[in-house]
Amino acid sequence: QVQLQESGPGLVKPSGTLSLTCAVSGGSISSSDWWSWVRQPPGKGLEWIGEIFHSGSTNYNPSLKSRVTISVDKSKNQFSLKLSSVTAADTAVYYCARRGWSAVDSWGQGTLVTVSS
Amino acid sequence: EIVLTQSPGTLSLSPGERATLSCRASQSVSSSYLAWYQQKPGQAPRLLIYGASSRATGIPDRFSGSGSGTDFTLTITRLEPEDFAVYYCQQYGSSPYTFGQGTKLEIK
Repeated sequence: QVQLQESGPGLVKPSGTLSLTCAVSGGSISSSDWWSWVRQPPGKGLEWIGEIFHSGSTNYNPSLKSRVTISVDKSKNQFSLKLSSVTAADTAVYYCARRGWSAVDSWGQGTLVTVSS
Repeated sequence: EIVLTQSPGTLSLSPGERATLSCRASQSVSSSYLAWYQQKPGQAPRLLIYGASSRATGIPDRFSGSGSGTDFTLTITRLEPEDFAVYYCQQYGSSPYTFGQGTKLEIK
């Protein structure tokens, strides 16, 4: 059973860059799955940010594409999210997840990132 | 971008009753790549249904999904106390893989 764990700063200053890493255990990041980021502002719904395949191929949400970079580190079996020029609107719980052939079937526990000075 | 609209926004029912949740897409969802998730407070979402009608591993058979094209339904027969939560649909056939806004299923 694959497990995912997010890590990174819980507080980011406005105009700064949000950086999170997702460690994958119990499975290989070089599998045939896609590795995703989803976020959820407090009290609101889910927003798909983007995903990456182990080859480096990516898909991004057009609403965030200009600010988002998702990368993969196969040697560490992990993938990462960078979101630049953050504002208070980027305050959310950020989840990393695995999208297999059967939709998003594994999720991290989520990590709250607050954008504030 | 495919917009998913869920209805109702809130559904108030009692344990033992049947729940019917709707998810309507702004355009046809490719190959019925439509999933349903359950989310409880403070928890990550949990996959219930994929491919519009296939139950994920370990999901009780009181949960069922149906539909195709632009109209999809999640049905929960005989509600259990642990079923009261927020439910989201997501299409994963066409990037960006959008979510519906959610339906809150609350105890009446």
